[in-house]
Amino acid sequence: GEDVEQSLFLSVREGDSSVINCTYTDSSSTYLYWYKQEPGAGLQLLTYIFSNMDMKQDQRLTVLLNKKDKHLSLRIADTQTGDSAIYFCAETVAAGYQKVTFGIGTKLQVIP
Amino acid sequence: GAGVSQSPRYKVTKRGQDVALRCDPISGHVSLYWYRQALGQGPEFLTYFNYEAQQDKSGLPNDRFSAERPEGSISTLTIQRTEQRDSAMYRCASSPKASAHEQYFGPGTRLTVT
Repeated sequence: GEDVEQSLFLSVREGDSSVINCTYTDSSSTYLYWYKQEPGAGLQLLTYIFSNMDMKQDQRLTVLLNKKDKHLSLRIADTQTGDSAIYFCAETVAAGYQKVTFGIGTKLQVIP
Repeated sequence: GAGVSQSPRYKVTKRGQDVALRCDPISGHVSLYWYRQALGQGPEFLTYFNYEAQQDKSGLPNDRFSAERPEGSISTLTIQRTEQRDSAMYRCASSPKASAHEQYFGPGTRLTVT
């Protein structure tokens, strides 16, 4: 079955890069997602990647996928205080790509 | 444009009562998803619809939970005979296509069962 694991907490200084890591267990073709949740708000999709890709870049965000190790990472360049939030890794399974499994979330704290 | 809205935003109910949680998706969106999020956890899939058809309800915890989307737009998640363990944030999301790639989440309904 599907399982997504993340570390709970990350603290970085403003201007540094942040790297948030995630591991997943489903070995079938899948989409993998990163969502951001700010305090008191809903979840916002940041980016997603299909499992036949190795990397995806979107402005300050870089997603790296290591299929062999089932490891996904999100790198945020030049981290800002507005990046402070909880970041969720998620995946969908091949059948229909509509049932999404989320990780527990990594809380990113950006120190000014 | 208007995003996904949910009502009520907060609901306090006594154990044993039934509750109905409403989700208004973005107009024209094909699929609608329900999740439950406990404090300090990620969202947990409950069920989803494409148009009015419920495609997967494998995440509903037990038969006290049900959901409907009769006209392919607004959806209601109903919990009968609520228990304290049902207390959580209930989140709804909608997507313009029959896929989870562009889910837009609502603000959630915080349910507290006393």
